[in-house]
This record gives sequence, C-alpha cells and structure tokens, in this order.
Amino acid sequence: SYELTQPPSVSVSPGQTASITCSGDRLGQKYVSWYQRKPGQSPVVVIYEDTKRPSVIPERFSGSNSGNRATLTIRGTQAMDEADYYCLTWDTSTVLFGGGTKVTVL
Amino acid sequence: QVQLQESGPGLVKPSENLSLTCTVSGGSVSSSAYYWSWIRQPPGKGLEWIGYVYYSGSTKYNPSLKSRVTISADTSKNQFSLKLTSVTAADTAVYYCARVVVASDNFFDPWGQGTRVTVSS
Repeated sequence: SYELTQPPSVSVSPGQTASITCSGDRLGQKYVSWYQRKPGQSPVVVIYEDTKRPSVIPERFSGSNSGNRATLTIRGTQAMDEADYYCLTWDTSTVLFGGGTKVTVL
Repeated sequence: QVQLQESGPGLVKPSENLSLTCTVSGGSVSSSAYYWSWIRQPPGKGLEWIGYVYYSGSTKYNPSLKSRVTISADTSKNQFSLKLTSVTAADTAVYYCARVVVASDNFFDPWGQGTRVTVSS
C-alpha cells in the first residue's frame, strides 16, 4: 500500500526558513496538499495542488513537489506558525495522510 | 461561508456503534462540486481518513475501516453522517468532518471543529 513519510519534528528559529518534507514513491506524479493543525484547533489547508496557496494563507508559505518528495516551506517563520503539519495525497480514489511533522519555533 | 459542525455522543461503550452527524451551513451537500468526508485523530497520533460521500450517494472508505464504516448524506437536512460499528478503545479519537473540494487536486476545506469520542465501559 502507498505510504507518505514525514519527519516527526522540525525546529526553526524565528525569522528563519522551515522546510517540511513528505516522501512517497513517485509522489511528484500526484498532487499534494498540506494542512496546519494548531493545538485545540481543527486543521486548515495551507497549500493545495502542490504549490497553490489559499488567499487567507500568508505568502511565507509555499510548496513544491518533484520526484519522490514534496516540500512545504515557511520563510520568515513566526511563533504563530508553531503547529503540526500534515501532507495529503490521493491514491486510487482513497486519501492518504503523512504521519505529521511538529514544527517548533525556538 | 460554509461551516461544518459535528454532533453526537462523546462516550460509546465497547462493541457498540458510534454515530456522528455533520451539519453543513452556508453550503449544500447536494452540490456536485464537493465530497463530504470524515477524518479522525486518535490521542497522540496523526490524522486518519475514514471516508467520504458524494452528492450522488456514492461512497469511498479507508480500506482499513471499510468493513465497519457507513457514511451517508441527508439532503433534506443538509447533513451527512458517520456510523462505525463494533467499536473498541482504538476508535477513541477526535472526529472531524470536512468538505472536499473536487478539482484537479481534491483538498479538504473547511473542517469542522471536531468532536471527541471516547470508547469506554
């Protein structure tokens, strides 16, 4: 069965760039969306169709997807970006989530 | 602006059935532009997709849960529901409903606030 792999945690200093990876076999041939979940809140989509950003999401969030890896990048990371991030893709009409990455802003 | 709200019992006994409802406001479950989906998150674990229903009534489920899951839509009430049979402690989780935008990339937006379900005697 298809699987998505994310690092359990990423640490970043305020103002620096955080990169969160999501790996899967030939993932670049599929679309990936990314979801942010802050404690006590429901998930919010921050990137869809690999690179598109909803209008309410800050420009510091961007995405890419090529080969076997998709990446969510947060430039100029702020304390408010501390959250769990999940990648998602579709495989034969079913939905797969990555295991999630906890982003800590130190 | 579409909003989703989960409702249902917060405590279910082992071996019984779990039933949750998601009420949609500001949008219609009869729209062909969306799927309507359930997702859960067990304590300390990641998100797990449960399944979705389309306006036509067609459904798709997570293979790992397929034998115990039914998702249906009630267009007259603008709601969709989840039924999970024969629950165990492993089904303890926060359950979310979400709208899936049907496009080149089907993405989940928005999500309900989530409802916590505990399986315990």
